[in-house]
Amino acid sequence: DGGITQSPKYLFRKEGQNVTLSCEQNLNHDAMYWYRQDPGQGLRLIYYSQIVNDFQKGDIAEGYSVSREKKESFPLTVTSAQKNPTAFYLCASRRGGLDTEAFFGQGTRLTVV
Amino acid sequence: GQQLNQSPQSMFIQEGEDVSMNCTSSSIFNTWLWYKQDPGEGPVLLIALYKAGELTSNGRLTAQFGITRKDSFLNISASIPSDVGIYFCAGQNGSSASKIIFGSGTRLSIRP
Repeated sequence: DGGITQSPKYLFRKEGQNVTLSCEQNLNHDAMYWYRQDPGQGLRLIYYSQIVNDFQKGDIAEGYSVSREKKESFPLTVTSAQKNPTAFYLCASRRGGLDTEAFFGQGTRLTVV
Repeated sequence: GQQLNQSPQSMFIQEGEDVSMNCTSSSIFNTWLWYKQDPGEGPVLLIALYKAGELTSNGRLTAQFGITRKDSFLNISASIPSDVGIYFCAGQNGSSASKIIFGSGTRLSIRP
């Protein structure tokens, strides 16, 4: 089936550790996105990528890093520099161009213990 | 950065009632999108709007792209229990074509 797959669904991390969240899509979409959602809040853009080997900072990029070595994959690393990493992380992709919509994965809930 | 103002923040309705929510922006958007999110899941696209003035329906859902390109509304008719969830608007403009901005969401609950 075509879609966007995020893994794992739940992730626990000790303070001071880096952790990488996976996002894979087989939709042949050009653009991919990472959003952060806190309880009762909307979605805030962390990073986005329009094409392979290119990515841009979103509104809350500090403490995060990404790579886009393949079209299908856009992993997000939450570094130890991120002061408040516990949140629900959502990955999305879209075909690219102006008149196209974004589709989301199922999300990864990260908890720092 | 750009912001979308979505209202109401939450609403409690009786089953069978109609629901209306809207989003406004200080800047122009080329595309308006409406999503629904269930707890612990990713948002699911409900309706996409591409032209100013466009009115689009998807079953009991109807959404419109405001003529000024700075607002959009979503209506749900004859609400049912499975309509419960959080509804998000999202906008996209030509100055940063790949950046999609989300509203803060409208939480819909149904009174028992």
